[in-house]
Amino acid sequence: EAGVVQSPRYKIIEKKQPVAFWCNPISGHNTLYWYRQNLGQGPELLIRYENEEAVDDSQLPKDRFSAERLKGVDSTLKIQPAELGDSAVYLCASSFGGQTGYTFGSGTRLTVV
Amino acid sequence: GIQVEQSPPDLILQEGANSTLRCNFSDSVNNLQWFHQNPWGQLINLFYIPSGTKQNGRLSATTVATERYSLLYISSSQTTDSGVYFCAVETIGNTPLVFGKGTRLSVIA
Repeated sequence: EAGVVQSPRYKIIEKKQPVAFWCNPISGHNTLYWYRQNLGQGPELLIRYENEEAVDDSQLPKDRFSAERLKGVDSTLKIQPAELGDSAVYLCASSFGGQTGYTFGSGTRLTVV
Repeated sequence: GIQVEQSPPDLILQEGANSTLRCNFSDSVNNLQWFHQNPWGQLINLFYIPSGTKQNGRLSATTVATERYSLLYISSSQTTDSGVYFCAVETIGNTPLVFGKGTRLSVIA
C-alpha cells in the first residue's frame, strides 16, 4: 500500500512569489490534514478536511494561504504571496476517521529567500 | 487547548543503552501516537496507543490514560534510532493531533 505522497520534496522561491504543494492521501482515508513544522518545533495544524469539506481551518492564515481537496481525494495547499517567515516543512497526513492514527507524508521543505 | 509536555528535551546515549521518554498531557485523550522523525524529516508512526501497552521489536510504549502520561522505551539503542521523538494527542471530540516539542535523541557508537 502506498503511503501519503507529497510533492515537491523541496522548493526554494523568492519572497512575494506563489507556491503550491500537492498531497495524495492513503486510499480510503477520508480525513486529510495539512501541518506546518518550523525548525526545532513540533508540527502545527493548518487545516483539516473531512472528505472534501474543510472542517477546521482556524489556524490557516487566510490572507495568503488557501487549500482545496478536490473530490475528497488529492489536496493542494497554496501560498500567495510567500513571505520569509513561511519557510518551514509542510506536512500532509491522512487518517481513516481517526481510528487507526495518522500517517504522514515526507513533507515539502519550503525555503523563501 | 490541551498541553503536551515531553521529557527530556535532549538525550545522548551510547550505543546499546536503554532509555525512557515521557509524555505528559493535560486532558483526556482518545488518540495518542509516538512518532520518530528521522534526519531527513520523515515522520514515522511508531505506535498508536491511546491506552495500554504495545511492543514492536526493541521499542515498547505504555499509556496510562487515567494518569495522563505515556512512556516510550527504547532498548539496546542503535545509531539509526537517532532523531526526534514526538508524542501527539487527540482529545475527545476529535480535535486534530497536537504535538509536543519532542525529545532529540542522539545515539553515538
